[in-house]
Amino acid sequence: DGGITQSPKYLFRKEGQNVTLSCEQNLNHDAMYWYRQDPGQGLRLIYYSQIVNDFQKGDIAEGYSVSREKKESFPLTVTSAQKNPTAFYLCASSDQGKIAYEQYFGPGTRLTVT
Amino acid sequence: AQSVSQHNHHVILSEAASLELGCNYSYGGTVNLFWYVQYPGQHLQLLLKYFSGDPLVKGIKGFEAEFIKSKFSFNLRKPSVQWSDTAEYFCAVTAFGAGNNRKLIWGLGTSLAVNP
Repeated sequence: DGGITQSPKYLFRKEGQNVTLSCEQNLNHDAMYWYRQDPGQGLRLIYYSQIVNDFQKGDIAEGYSVSREKKESFPLTVTSAQKNPTAFYLCASSDQGKIAYEQYFGPGTRLTVT
Repeated sequence: AQSVSQHNHHVILSEAASLELGCNYSYGGTVNLFWYVQYPGQHLQLLLKYFSGDPLVKGIKGFEAEFIKSKFSFNLRKPSVQWSDTAEYFCAVTAFGAGNNRKLIWGLGTSLAVNP
């Protein structure tokens, strides 16, 4: 059963700690994305990667870091430099070889930092 | 910069009412257009998409959308909503050749509540 998995579903951290969110896909997609979803603000792109070992900053990359060492995996680290890290984080992937680059989403991780 | 505008932030309907959610985008070139839905507690999933051909596209669960190029619009419609349509709806656009590297540009979403 192909799809995107994100773990954990809920994550709690103390302020000042870095935390890494997991994203794995078995759809054989080249591109992967991290979004942040806040109420009333839609989806905002944090980072994206179109190929292994390469990634680009999205619209709100400050305070976040990523890596793309394997095609299947695109972990996101929320660093202590992120001023307002409490949010719902969504990972997505897409097949860049298709005409319409629809994105497939994971179930999300809700991060709470206190 | 390209942008996507969803005019209705919150919509409340009774069952069997008709639905139309507005979506406009700002880009004059080639676009791919999408509507995604996020049911409570579920993944964001694709409702329908347009990339070429017939501007009236049909999606899952009886939804449809019409691409009107002259109006830069891609409004979502359903003739008769059900309680199970309660969800958040997002319009998204990929603008080709705009230097945005094939990223999706998202609207802010419309929260739909259907009363039984």
